[in-house]
Amino acid sequence: EAGVAQSPRYKIIEKRQSVAFWCNPISGHATLYWYQQILGQGPKLLIQFQNNGVVDDSQLPKDRFSAERLKGVDSTLKIQPAKLEDSAVYLCASSHGQALTEQYFGPGTRLTVT
Amino acid sequence: AQSVTQLDSHVSVSEGTPVLLRCNYSSSYSPSLFWYVQHPNKGLQLLLKYTSAATLVKGINGFEAEFKKSETSFHLTKPSAHMSDAAEYFCVVSANAGKSTFGDGTTLTVKP
Repeated sequence: EAGVAQSPRYKIIEKRQSVAFWCNPISGHATLYWYQQILGQGPKLLIQFQNNGVVDDSQLPKDRFSAERLKGVDSTLKIQPAKLEDSAVYLCASSHGQALTEQYFGPGTRLTVT
Repeated sequence: AQSVTQLDSHVSVSEGTPVLLRCNYSSSYSPSLFWYVQHPNKGLQLLLKYTSAATLVKGINGFEAEFKKSETSFHLTKPSAHMSDAAEYFCVVSANAGKSTFGDGTTLTVKP
């Protein structure tokens, strides 16, 4: 089966600019996650979708970050405006269910904000 | 609330010697616990998971982990390290409605 797809793989922007990331999960996976992984740290959950509804967005900086999952399949994560501290790898993952199930990760998008 | 502490940020072993990567967790609920591996320039991959069945869990590539509730630990072990095991390893706890919390990772170096 095809894995989780993400694009772009790399992005360099200046602070205060906006950027968007795209994720296509494994077919049939109801749950989709966006993580932020800062260099030297573990991934931090930003938002979790169950189909097209939000399950958890408690750690999403809502003043600048937004995410949507239209039709319960693909998802986009947007940052507007970007700050220097947003430099990180943004990981998308999907799973069949919520708790107790394995998450399948995409290759990530490496964002550099200058 | 839940949290994960990986006790060593870096572990270095010689090829053929045992590997021990330590993980302690905290959770208000009965947790599921996972170990993921991240090789350079590759995505995170599941090594093994504990979901309240057997406390000794076997995973891929010869890794295993033991869930010890009394010690709130889930340490990862392998009897004999291989050069290809060099990677970043993450311990993960998942309990409250499936929210996953990752540790900060342990970098495993394998010397020839």
